[in-house]
Amino acid sequence: EVQLVQSGPEVKKPGESLRISCKGRGYNFLDSWVNWVRQLPGRGPEFMGSIDPFDSNTDYSPSFQGRVTISVDAAITTAYLHWGSLEASDTAIYYCARRNDTKWYAMDVWGQGTAVTVSS
Amino acid sequence: DIQMTQSPSSLSASVGDRVAIVCRASQTIYNYLNWYQQKPGGAPRLLVYAASNLQGGVASRFDGSGSGTDFTLIISGLQPEDFGTYYCQQTYKTPRTFGQGTKVEI
Repeated sequence: EVQLVQSGPEVKKPGESLRISCKGRGYNFLDSWVNWVRQLPGRGPEFMGSIDPFDSNTDYSPSFQGRVTISVDAAITTAYLHWGSLEASDTAIYYCARRNDTKWYAMDVWGQGTAVTVSS
Repeated sequence: DIQMTQSPSSLSASVGDRVAIVCRASQTIYNYLNWYQQKPGGAPRLLVYAASNLQGGVASRFDGSGSGTDFTLIISGLQPEDFGTYYCQQTYKTPRTFGQGTKVEI
C-alpha cells in the first residue's frame, strides 16, 4: 500500500525550533516530489513548498520562503519540514502529500497530518 | 499567485440531490485543476485530476468539467458519506493554490 506516514503532534513555545517528518512507503520514493501543505484552524489548505527526493531540488511558495526549510533523506525515504524559530501563528496542521506528475501534478497520496501547537 | 475562487462557500442538500460546486481561476490554467474532499479530522482526498479525470476508487457520481478559468464539480445523487468540504486546486503554476472551500451539509 502506498503511504505517507507523518510524525506525531508537537507542542512548542514561541522561538523554539522544530522538525517534522514524512516517511514514504510502498512506492519508489525517488520518483515523486513531496509537497508540504499547511492548514490553519478552520481554513483551507495552503501550498508551502515541495522537494524532489532525487536531487533535493526545492520549490517554495513566496509566502513561506525563508520561514521554513524543506529537506529530504532519500536513504530512509523521509522528507522533513523545519522551522528555526516558531511563532504562535504557526499553529496549524501540516500535511505532506505526494505529487503525481502523471496526474497533472495532483496530490494523490496524503499523510495523516501533524498537528503543531505553538503557545507560551 | 493564481487566485482560486469557489462558490458557494456552503450548501445544504438532501440525499439524492444533484449538487454543483464552481471554481474560477484568476487566469487561464488550461485543465490543471484538481478537486479534493476533506472530512473533519481527516486529510484531503483527491477526487478528480486534470479537470475531468476521476481518481481511482472514487464513485462515479462525482463528475468534473471545465477548462481555462471556469470549472465545475457535480455530485449526482448525493449520498450521506459525501458530507465534508470540497476544495479545488490549480497545479498550472507554482505556488499551487487552493480555493477557499465549499462545505457540503446533508
